[in-house]
Amino acid sequence: KAGVTQTPRYLIKTRGQQVTLSCSPISGHRSVSWYQQTPGQGLQFLFEYFSETQRNKGNFPGRFSGRQFSNSRSEMNVSTLELGDSALYLCASNLHDRNTEAFFGQGTRLTVV
Amino acid sequence: AQRVTQPEKLLSVFKGAPVELKCNYSYSGSPELFWYVQYSRQRLQLLLRHISRESIKGFTADLNKGETSFHLKKPFAQEEDSAMYYCALGGSNYKLTFGKGTLLTVNP
Repeated sequence: KAGVTQTPRYLIKTRGQQVTLSCSPISGHRSVSWYQQTPGQGLQFLFEYFSETQRNKGNFPGRFSGRQFSNSRSEMNVSTLELGDSALYLCASNLHDRNTEAFFGQGTRLTVV
Repeated sequence: AQRVTQPEKLLSVFKGAPVELKCNYSYSGSPELFWYVQYSRQRLQLLLRHISRESIKGFTADLNKGETSFHLKKPFAQEEDSAMYYCALGGSNYKLTFGKGTLLTVNP
């Protein structure tokens, strides 16, 4: 069974640009969550989707957005990139509609220069 | 509000010694507590969760609602236990709140 797949693994962008990250959950998993991981703040919740509906959003500016498709794949978008957006972005998928065991991808390392 | 505190950023023990990684939480509802582990160059993975009350790789954790704690314990640490450990709290709002993590180093 394939794990959670995130693409791309690494990205370098310039301030002001926008970026789209992709996440393919484990087959059959309908819940997808996104987290930002930085050395200073640790793991912070961005948003969660279930059956194409965003059910919760973390305390991030509106520049951070996401969506989920009918096949449960998810994308997150960050517009007008800032240096502080440099982080590891992790996607997690969950079989159930509650936070039971979340399976994480390897992450996308975003560097903003 | 959900909050998870892991007071130790770093913990170093010798092989064969007992290890305890501390976790305290704050949550007004009925919490679901987890320990996640990240070995070097590997993805974050679930180690154990309080609801299953199982022991994984010799680790156990007991939820103490009175002290709002969920400490992770192992009686005899092994070198392969060296990793980053995160305590996480799941509520009814479909998100996990993580502590800042504890880097465990087991010395030979």
